[in-house]
Amino acid sequence: QKEVEQNSGPLSVPEGAIASLNCTYSDRGSQSFFWYRQYSGKSPELIMFIYSNGDKEDGRFTAQLNKASQYVSLLIRDSQPSDSATYLCAVNMEGDNYGQNFVFGPGTRLSVLP
Amino acid sequence: DAGVTQSPTHLIKTRGQQVTLRCSPKSGHDTVSWYQQALGQGPQFIFQYYEEEERQRGNFPDRFSGHQFPNYSSELNVNALLLGDSALYLCASSSTGTLNTEAFFGQGTRLTVV
Repeated sequence: QKEVEQNSGPLSVPEGAIASLNCTYSDRGSQSFFWYRQYSGKSPELIMFIYSNGDKEDGRFTAQLNKASQYVSLLIRDSQPSDSATYLCAVNMEGDNYGQNFVFGPGTRLSVLP
Repeated sequence: DAGVTQSPTHLIKTRGQQVTLRCSPKSGHDTVSWYQQALGQGPQFIFQYYEEEERQRGNFPDRFSGHQFPNYSSELNVNALLLGDSALYLCASSSTGTLNTEAFFGQGTRLTVV
């Protein structure tokens, strides 16, 4: 059974700090990895995806992937109170970059304190 | 473009009853996936529909069934409701053959079983 694990929260950081969110996955054949943000009572929204080993930056967000260690992380620089949400790590189930079904981790709740 | 729409938004049912949830995919999308998200957990994949057939299924009992219509909209049916079926039910739509960064979630249906 494919599993995705995330560091337990809640994670609290002061405004302006870097928030670091971690995720590990069990299926070595996984090829595509996603970070979703979910505000309370709302649906998940995609904020980052990564297919290749290394870092991928998008504004204040950086995703890091290490397939050998089966590890994905998300860094949020200059954290803002509006970043307070649950962050879901998701891995595509189908071992390619086209499969549309995901295994999600349990999520890490982030709280950015003003 | 209305995006992915789900109905109803909230629903309260009694244990043992049956429920039908509905999803209209984003314009141009032909594939619908359903997820169950219990409180404090990540979404769990239920099944996916494409070309009016169930293409993949997660680890859910037969009480959970679905349907896809020629216009690509979809229904999720749950029979013999249990208290543990209380959750946020999410629909995600996508287009077969496109990169999996293009899956979009609806706002969800909050089902409460009493």
